[in-house]
Amino acid sequence: AQSVSQHNHHVILSEAASLELGCNYSYGGTVNLFWYVQYPGQHLQLLLKYFSGDPLVKGIKGFEAEFIKSKFSFNLRKPSVQWSDTAEYFCAVVSYNTDKLIFGTGTRLQVFP
Amino acid sequence: DAGVIQSPRHEVTEMGQEVTLRCKPISGHDYLFWYRQTMMRGLELLIYFNNNVPIDDSGMPEDRFSAKMPNASFSTLKIQPSEPRDSAVYFCASSLPPAGHSGANVLTFGAGSRLTVL
Repeated sequence: AQSVSQHNHHVILSEAASLELGCNYSYGGTVNLFWYVQYPGQHLQLLLKYFSGDPLVKGIKGFEAEFIKSKFSFNLRKPSVQWSDTAEYFCAVVSYNTDKLIFGTGTRLQVFP
Repeated sequence: DAGVIQSPRHEVTEMGQEVTLRCKPISGHDYLFWYRQTMMRGLELLIYFNNNVPIDDSGMPEDRFSAKMPNASFSTLKIQPSEPRDSAVYFCASSLPPAGHSGANVLTFGAGSRLTVL
């Protein structure tokens, strides 16, 4: 069965620091990959997605993610975080032979001014 | 479009009571998903429907949980009897077919129903 691992459960950064959140998935076939964000008190919103093509995907608010097929990874990055990036970040994967979108357990990011 | 609409937003009930959570998907979306979010387990897929038909309910934790989709615009998740460990936020989401090359195939989530079972 497919699964998603997010190794960083809680990340604390100061503003302007660089961010990289890890995401690995277990499925050998073709997949679509997503990062969702949940700001405090709000519901999940799409941050960015990879369907095909350029493995470096740019999303909203300066976030980007790189799909490395050989490593089964889809890490999220941002060169300079802001206090408003404080949120929980979820990586998710759906494989082509199923319509189940499976989420990782999430990474809680706290950014201090 | 008003997005995915869930009700109630908050529910507090006592152990043993029946709980019914409701979801109205985005019009035209033929996939509907129910997820449960807890601190310990993150976001778990409970069940999903395609064209009102349950496709995979392997995530439903116990027989106490049941979900129905009587038509394309309405789904319910029922817990009977409820237990304190069912306390969580339950999210409903809808989409066009999630897997594929189309950029439209992204899940849209509702605001969630926060359930507290005392």
